Amino acid sequence: GENVEQHPSTLSVQEGDSAVIKCTYSDSASNYFPWYKQELGKRPQLIIDIRSNVGEKKDQRIAVTLNKTAKHFSLHITETQPEDSAVYFCAAGVNNQGGKLIFGQGTELSVKP
Amino acid sequence: DGGITQSPKYLFRKEGQNVTLSCEQNLNHDAMYWYRQDPGQGLRLIYYSQIVNDFQKGDIAEGYSVSREKKESFPLTVTSAQKNPTAFYLCASSARTGAGETQYFGPGTRLLVL
Repeated sequence: GENVEQHPSTLSVQEGDSAVIKCTYSDSASNYFPWYKQELGKRPQLIIDIRSNVGEKKDQRIAVTLNKTAKHFSLHITETQPEDSAVYFCAAGVNNQGGKLIFGQGTELSVKP
Repeated sequence: DGGITQSPKYLFRKEGQNVTLSCEQNLNHDAMYWYRQDPGQGLRLIYYSQIVNDFQKGDIAEGYSVSREKKESFPLTVTSAQKNPTAFYLCASSARTGAGETQYFGPGTRLLVL
């Protein structure tokens, strides 16, 4: 069935360093790839998304890249800050499945001051 | 996402009991979703609804039921058939169905078994 693999499961970086989280999806029909940030006990919040007709998208310190051939997409956070510490989830969606998203397992990012 | 509310924040279930989790949105969104989140895991889809009076099973629908009688409401019932219901339940909505529509999440309900 459809599957999204996310790595690493935990990531610890020093403040100011970059962080990269990688996801691989199985359904080649997937065409929408959002990233969510979830702080402890809170709701997931969308931080950036990319559609299959675009290879890269950037929003200030956050960027996402997509390689459709490899069925692989990544989240890049530059100049990390302690408030970036949270769990990050990637997801993949297919247009003909009613908006259904398949989520990765999550990456717990810790940014040390 | 402030337009999506879930209640209660915490819910306790006794053995053999059915419990209902509330989800309401005032965003005039067509689509609504229920996800289950277990510690250290991603979100898994339980049910989703694209329009009033219609809903589809997600990946882990067994032991759950839903209704969509009103556009703004999508309650989830956890039945006694769900043998491991302890989890964090998240409701979401999107303006329309189809990929590319941002899903906005409610604050969640944490269900615990007594």
